Amino acid sequence: EIVMTQSPATLSVSPGERATLSCRASQSVSSNLAWYQQKPGQAPRLLIYGASTRATGIPARFSGSGSGTEFTLTISSLQSEDFAVYYCQQYNNWPPLWTFGQGTKVEIK
Amino acid sequence: EVQLVESGGGLVQPGGSLRLSCAASGFTFSSYDMHWVRQATGKGLEWVSAIGTAGDTYYPGSVKGRFTISRENAKNSLYLQMNSLRAGDTAVYYCAKGTLHVMDVWGKGTTVTVSS
Repeated sequence: EIVMTQSPATLSVSPGERATLSCRASQSVSSNLAWYQQKPGQAPRLLIYGASTRATGIPARFSGSGSGTEFTLTISSLQSEDFAVYYCQQYNNWPPLWTFGQGTKVEIK
Repeated sequence: EVQLVESGGGLVQPGGSLRLSCAASGFTFSSYDMHWVRQATGKGLEWVSAIGTAGDTYYPGSVKGRFTISRENAKNSLYLQMNSLRAGDTAVYYCAKGTLHVMDVWGKGTTVTVSS
């Protein structure tokens, strides 16, 4: 089973600053990596898929990078609406399995 | 508008069963993989099951043999039959549409509580 580990658990950032979130896979997942945003009381929202492709309607301040086992989500200039929990998720080709990281909470500094 | 609406959650005793439903609209349901994902209160996301367009099904070890995902394309509906429920299955259960192996549209969720 592939284990996804996110760091840090909590990131304190001031509005307008850059946020960098990390996700590490226990074995290579190629580029089969997605990022989701979840706000309190809401369902998750897809931000990034294929490690670096923004989903429809996602602002350009969100960017993803990495491949293999190391991935990064960068929010270039944090807006008030970006304070939330972010999850990475990998897809394994065979057997088909989907695994989420434990999440990183981005909070206001 | 693409929409997913879950229903069927509630309180069930340990060892009991529950069937969740997800009504889909705004897209060609039969053409997409579908997923169930759950989230215990204050915890992270856990993938629970997936079903492909051909009816192929997939589960993680934590629910395999207890949960069954199914779909009824004529009714644009997704289901999750949950048997032998445990306290650890208590969570909000989300239905999600699959595209390119990710979950691009999510419902608002339905709450399942397993308790005596």
